[in-house]
Amino acid sequence: DGGITQSPKYLFRKEGQNVTLSCEQNLNHDAMYWYRQDPGQGLRLIYYSQIVNDFQKGDIAEGYSVSREKKESFPLTVTSAQKNPTAFYLCASSIQGRSYNEQFFGPGTRLTVL
Amino acid sequence: GENVEQHPSTLSVQEGDSAVIKCTYSDSASNYFPWYKQELGKRPQLIIDIRSNVGEKKDQRIAVTLNKTAKHFSLHITETQPEDSAVYFCAASNGNQFYFGTGTSLTVIP
Repeated sequence: DGGITQSPKYLFRKEGQNVTLSCEQNLNHDAMYWYRQDPGQGLRLIYYSQIVNDFQKGDIAEGYSVSREKKESFPLTVTSAQKNPTAFYLCASSIQGRSYNEQFFGPGTRLTVL
Repeated sequence: GENVEQHPSTLSVQEGDSAVIKCTYSDSASNYFPWYKQELGKRPQLIIDIRSNVGEKKDQRIAVTLNKTAKHFSLHITETQPEDSAVYFCAASNGNQFYFGTGTSLTVIP
């Protein structure tokens, strides 16, 4: 299971708080992604980044923010503007610049709003 | 953008039978189609993938077929075993983003 890690595994947030989810990879991958997973809805893209200091919004970016200051790291902040943040969050990475990019997933962070 | 549809959402089979999961996509620019298996509370794991220049790929009990003209691809699992029980996701990629289906919950009944 090596290469991409997420922390913490479980996270509890009070309403009105911002929280930051960590994602680190040592695969030397250029591209990194954040997905949200809800029961019965598959994986929905929040943000993705193809190179350092650049990132793009996915389908459900509202209420989330990211940064990509280092190639290895792509933290996700869930802000108080996200009205229903309770979900399972998955980070992934892939080699950019190729037509066929296998994605590798981290173990996930389960966020619960109290 | 791309739209990936996956069917069925749930599937129950007897141990030893075959299971088939189907996906369709809308964007002809998609050229890479992976399938992931996800066990409860775990990360998705790639089980097989296919590129757009190939029509079929097989790996032991698992096979994937791709029909580019009709824009659909399917996962076939033969001789199913209880440990095959999980949620399976298809995806389509154009090299930048991945678009996922909504998943199929497969139950293999011993």
